[in-house]
Amino acid sequence: DQQVKQNSPSLSVQEGRISILNCDYTNSMFDYFLWYKKYPAEGPTFLISISSIKDKNEDGRFTVFLNKSAKHLSLHIVPSQPGDSAVYFCAASATYGQNFVFGPGTRLSVLP
Amino acid sequence: DSGVTQTPKHLITATGQRVTLRCSPRSGDLSVYWYQQSLDQGLQFLIQYYNGEERAKGNILERFSAQQFPDLHSELNLSSLELGDSALYFCASSVGVGRGEKLFFGSGTQLSVL
Repeated sequence: DQQVKQNSPSLSVQEGRISILNCDYTNSMFDYFLWYKKYPAEGPTFLISISSIKDKNEDGRFTVFLNKSAKHLSLHIVPSQPGDSAVYFCAASATYGQNFVFGPGTRLSVLP
Repeated sequence: DSGVTQTPKHLITATGQRVTLRCSPRSGDLSVYWYQQSLDQGLQFLIQYYNGEERAKGNILERFSAQQFPDLHSELNLSSLELGDSALYFCASSVGVGRGEKLFFGSGTQLSVL
């Protein structure tokens, strides 16, 4: 039973355009969400987070949107750059603990 | 460089064997987490330690065990290995256990069970 879903295993975007990565969750207790980026042969690195008290958080080219009623969040990358090509993991945690539940990841390819 | 060190980077062994994966957290971090990533799977949480004590347990098999030592490094022991245990094992660390703590991941140990 996957509590955090990333239904697109892969995504290809042209350089300069917007990349939108989606994440859905089922556990209504989740109230803190993070995105991690992973390059080959490296561990995941933290990208951006959002708490359930917000519906948007922005950090440079990266913006995360949270729709609590739909149990859906998305990561927008604008403009996309070839260096953004990586696997992106969505992760969620609940108030009762810190242990993050990770989605299966979406492989983003930004084409020059 | 996240500051989290995992050794070895690669491990090849046979079914039925036992291996130990090692993790040194970032300087100052008291929490250590272990995750397993199988092919096309997300990161599955295995176990968390905080300052030497087990804090939380996830989908960790009984054949697996872990501990965190006084110097805060951690070891994950995998025994009676099966083919399905082949995966990338990540260690992560964080300062504490507060809400919203970011995890810093090592580069992982690739385990291949033949």
